[in-house]
Amino acid sequence: NAGVTQTPKFQVLKTGQSMTLQCAQDMNHEYMSWYRQDPGMGLRLIHYSVGAGITDQGEVPNGYNVSRSTTEDFPLRLLSAAPSQTSVYFCASSPGLPTDTQYFGPGTRLTVL
Amino acid sequence: GENVEQHPSTLSVQEGDSAVIKCTYSDSASNYFPWYKQELGKRPQLIIDIRSNVGEKKDQRIAVTLNKTAKHFSLHITETQPEDSAVYFCAAIRGASYIPTFGRGTSLIVHP
Repeated sequence: NAGVTQTPKFQVLKTGQSMTLQCAQDMNHEYMSWYRQDPGMGLRLIHYSVGAGITDQGEVPNGYNVSRSTTEDFPLRLLSAAPSQTSVYFCASSPGLPTDTQYFGPGTRLTVL
Repeated sequence: GENVEQHPSTLSVQEGDSAVIKCTYSDSASNYFPWYKQELGKRPQLIIDIRSNVGEKKDQRIAVTLNKTAKHFSLHITETQPEDSAVYFCAAIRGASYIPTFGRGTSLIVHP
């Protein structure tokens, strides 16, 4: 099992550009989520999904879109990048609720100039 | 919504000492409290968790205690080693919620 994988590992964008962060898991987990991690702020939930076709907003959803067409994949889209979106992004999955053990991906470090 | 406060933000100890990190939460309906360890440049990894029907849980040198009345829970690391140096995060989750709330993290430094 590869677990939770994320691509790319690093990305630099200019303000206004769009891009998609990829996340995939091969553990057949129903729950997947995206977090951003900023210095001194802990992890904040952006969006989550409880299964294919079902997504919902977390704590800080503005500026981000998600979709879940398959159990395995949960991409995060930035439609028009802003410097405030400079952060490290982690994808995570768990078998059911987040009260099950969550497994994190390796992260994507995004810089928006 | 839930609010989680974590203290201290930095903790420096000598190898072999004990370390204690404390978190308080605001939502009395929260019933699951995991702790994550994140080494520099790596992903967070679950190290121990506790549910609201349990007061204490141990795993070798690591233990977590929960006081539901006071709404706080703590991570205890005994006989610290340099490889324990990392950032530790607590979180609180309400059973019916899909939104975990994390503390801001504690940077633990263990000096050899």
